[in-house]
Amino acid sequence: GENVEQHPSTLSVQEGDSAVIKCTYSDSASNYFPWYKQELGKGPQLIIDIRSNVGEKKDQRIAVTLNKTAKHFSLHITETQPEDSAVYFCAAKGRYGNKLVFGAGTILRVKS
Amino acid sequence: GAGVSQTPSNKVTEKGKYVELRCDPISGHTALYWYRQSLGQGPEFLIYFQGTGAADDSGLPNDRFFAVRPEGSVSTLKIQRTERGDSAVYLCASSRGGARDEQFFGPGTRLTVL
Repeated sequence: GENVEQHPSTLSVQEGDSAVIKCTYSDSASNYFPWYKQELGKGPQLIIDIRSNVGEKKDQRIAVTLNKTAKHFSLHITETQPEDSAVYFCAAKGRYGNKLVFGAGTILRVKS
Repeated sequence: GAGVSQTPSNKVTEKGKYVELRCDPISGHTALYWYRQSLGQGPEFLIYFQGTGAADDSGLPNDRFFAVRPEGSVSTLKIQRTERGDSAVYLCASSRGGARDEQFFGPGTRLTVL
């Protein structure tokens, strides 16, 4: 089945700097890649997603890139703010069914 | 409703007891998902409903776990003979179904088995 690996496990950046989180997936037929932000005690919140027919998508300070050949996708956050501090999860939807397979998460700390 | 709601928010039970966890999806969403999240890990898929039927239950760990969605809206996850290893946050998500992939999560139910 699908396997998703996420790096780094923790990331500390200074306020205003950029943050990049990377994921790889194993199933070349996967076609949907969402990113979620999870704050302490809350459920995951969908922040951006990308489909396999698109290479890049941007929404204000957040962007996601997809390299289907290498089976990589990345989350880019620019001009980071303290409220960006949270755990971020990548996920992939494999060829069979609608279930999402998640990475292990990245703890992002934005220092002010 | 405005979002996915789950009750209770916290459940503490003793080993061997039976528990039910409830999920109320976003109004109009035909697809409903249950995931389980252990501390420090990403959510793991349990079961997916399209309408009233379980379209994929491949993530249920064993036959102690069962879920229903009798009217195609509210779903209940049922766990029999709970074990300490069942302790986790149980998350519910819903989506519009069909070609719409976006899954929206509820706040979760934290289950603690003593």
